[in-house]
Amino acid sequence: DVKVTQSSRYLVKRTGEKVFLECVQDMDHENMFWYRQDPGLGLRLIYFSYDVKMKEKGDIPEGYSVSREKKERFSLILESASTNQTSMYLCASSLWQRGSYEQYFGPGTRLTVT
Amino acid sequence: DQQVKQNSPSLSVQEGRISILNCDYTNSMFDYFLWYKKYPAEGPTFLISISSIKDKNEDGRFTVFLNKSAKHLSLHIVPSQPGDSAVYFCAASRRVNYGGSQGNLIFGKGTKLSVKP
Repeated sequence: DVKVTQSSRYLVKRTGEKVFLECVQDMDHENMFWYRQDPGLGLRLIYFSYDVKMKEKGDIPEGYSVSREKKERFSLILESASTNQTSMYLCASSLWQRGSYEQYFGPGTRLTVT
Repeated sequence: DQQVKQNSPSLSVQEGRISILNCDYTNSMFDYFLWYKKYPAEGPTFLISISSIKDKNEDGRFTVFLNKSAKHLSLHIVPSQPGDSAVYFCAASRRVNYGGSQGNLIFGKGTKLSVKP
């Protein structure tokens, strides 16, 4: 069964802290993605990766960085958390295969920055 | 600029009736469309998809229709059930050149469906 896990379901951090969100998939997928979901704004792509050590900016990369040292793991880093980064963060993965677009999502991490 | 639009933030339907969720897109290069369903505090789950070479795809109670000339797709749920109450996201694929062909997804803002018993 397809499985994407995220390190925390709920997280509370202070402004200025460095925050790490971890995502692991067990499907041997090449592609991994980080989104944030905010009310009325839908899902917005932060960063994605098509291979180990590879990363590409999505639509809203400012204030974030990522790391992909192993195929199964994709980390999202908030270098200095701010209150406007309070959000639901969703990780997803997909297979590198022509015609296959389906992404599998983790359960999400609800991050609150105070 | 929004490339995928879901103009109805919410929809309320009676149990047993049809639910119709709509989605419009602006980029004629999109070649694949997906619908995802999301419950609160959970990640989205894939529901159904359609390729641009088709105009209809059916899976049980769920049918997606694609009108390429109008750049419009819709999701029909028949009959609607209370368990269908969730936020539904429409997504379109966007080709990115990387060693071949692969598509990122662009999501709409979602429509919250409420099915009343």
